[in-house]
Amino acid sequence: DGGITQSPKYLFRKEGQNVTLSCEQNLNHDAMYWYRQDPGQGLRLIYYSQIVNDFQKGDIAEGYSVSREKKESFPLTVTSAQKNPTAFYLCASSIGLGRTSTDTQYFGPGTRLTVL
Amino acid sequence: GQSLEQPSEVTAVEGAIVQINCTYQTSGFYGLSWYQQHDGGAPTFLSYNALDGLEETGRFSSFLSRSDSYGYLLLQELQMKDSASYFCAVRDRSSYKLIFGSGTRLLVRP
Repeated sequence: DGGITQSPKYLFRKEGQNVTLSCEQNLNHDAMYWYRQDPGQGLRLIYYSQIVNDFQKGDIAEGYSVSREKKESFPLTVTSAQKNPTAFYLCASSIGLGRTSTDTQYFGPGTRLTVL
Repeated sequence: GQSLEQPSEVTAVEGAIVQINCTYQTSGFYGLSWYQQHDGGAPTFLSYNALDGLEETGRFSSFLSRSDSYGYLLLQELQMKDSASYFCAVRDRSSYKLIFGSGTRLLVRP
């Protein structure tokens, strides 16, 4: 079955540590995204990538970093510079950036990060 | 820039019809999408309006009026499983980013 997987489902981090969240898709999608969701809030875009070896900052990129070395993978690192990282992190992918199409975004199950 | 406004919460009775509104301020976008998210789960795509008018998909319909900067999601024959958060979203024409509203929490009562 095609889809998006994220791991781990739950992650606990000590202050000052960097952690990396995994996102893998086998949908052959070019575009991938990372969102942050806080309780009772909408989704805020952290980073997105249109193609391998290319990515752009979203609205809240500070304290985060990404890489896109393979089409299937778009890992997110939450660095110690992110002062309030406790949140639900969602990875998504789409065929392209949807200039003219419906370009549905498909979401992974999410990673819930808690800073201890 | 883009901003989308939705009511924070809506309550309705099982079997009824409910409308969730989305008003937006935008400098240009490709279309209006709707996503559903159950507590603790991932958002899933429901509907998309590229053009003005009504799009129907089973019990769900979505409407867009660009002249009024307004859209809505209509859910008919409500079921308990429809209790979830619903987000409208637009794809910004210049950056191609998908911008989400803050979401409407729908509670369906027996």
